[in-house]
Amino acid sequence: EVQLVESGGGLVQPGGSLRLSCAASGFTVSSNYMSWVRQAPGKGLEWVSVIYSGGSTSYADSVKGRFTISRDNSKNTLYLQMNSLRAEDTAVYYCATHPNWFDPWGQGTLVTVSS
Amino acid sequence: EIVMTQSPATLSVSPGERATLSCRASQSVSSNLAWYQQKPGQAPRLLIYGASTRATGIPARFSGTGSGTEFTLTISSLQSEDFAVYYCQQYNNWWTFGQGTKVEIK
Repeated sequence: EVQLVESGGGLVQPGGSLRLSCAASGFTVSSNYMSWVRQAPGKGLEWVSVIYSGGSTSYADSVKGRFTISRDNSKNTLYLQMNSLRAEDTAVYYCATHPNWFDPWGQGTLVTVSS
Repeated sequence: EIVMTQSPATLSVSPGERATLSCRASQSVSSNLAWYQQKPGQAPRLLIYGASTRATGIPARFSGTGSGTEFTLTISSLQSEDFAVYYCQQYNNWWTFGQGTKVEIK
């Protein structure tokens, strides 16, 4: 069964850092496009970042220069390092595989940026 | 960036009735469009891809049509478990989502 499980969310102060993890099972992370998608409270879905099967990465303008996506092939796990966090980064962060439509998704992990 | 606009924001429908949701793209996305269902506290669930192909396990009461800039998701006879928020997403040029349509019980 294909499954994604996120972890690492929590409460962090503005300007702080957090690293999210997404453990995959049932498929190989390095063979797929993997993305992070976020959803602010009561809002819609926003694509954040992708790591391609070849290892290159791309980011939404809203997080470029602050967030870094990576993966550990030996652990079959995706990461999102988030630095210089802002209140507007508060959201549930989902990992998902594609390359086109997103399926499946993890259950999400909540990141709250507040003092 | 391709902007996806969904209408209406909220749709009030009685169980057993048909629901028709719209999604418009700011420029052509061909048939590179997906639909998702999201219930409170859950991750989105893929319903439709390629504008009209149902994902594995999705009931036949869900159907998608359209191409270019205009798309429609139809739920032919609403069941209690279908009351949720629905999102469209284009994957023709990067990945962007609509703001969602909430289908609520009338």
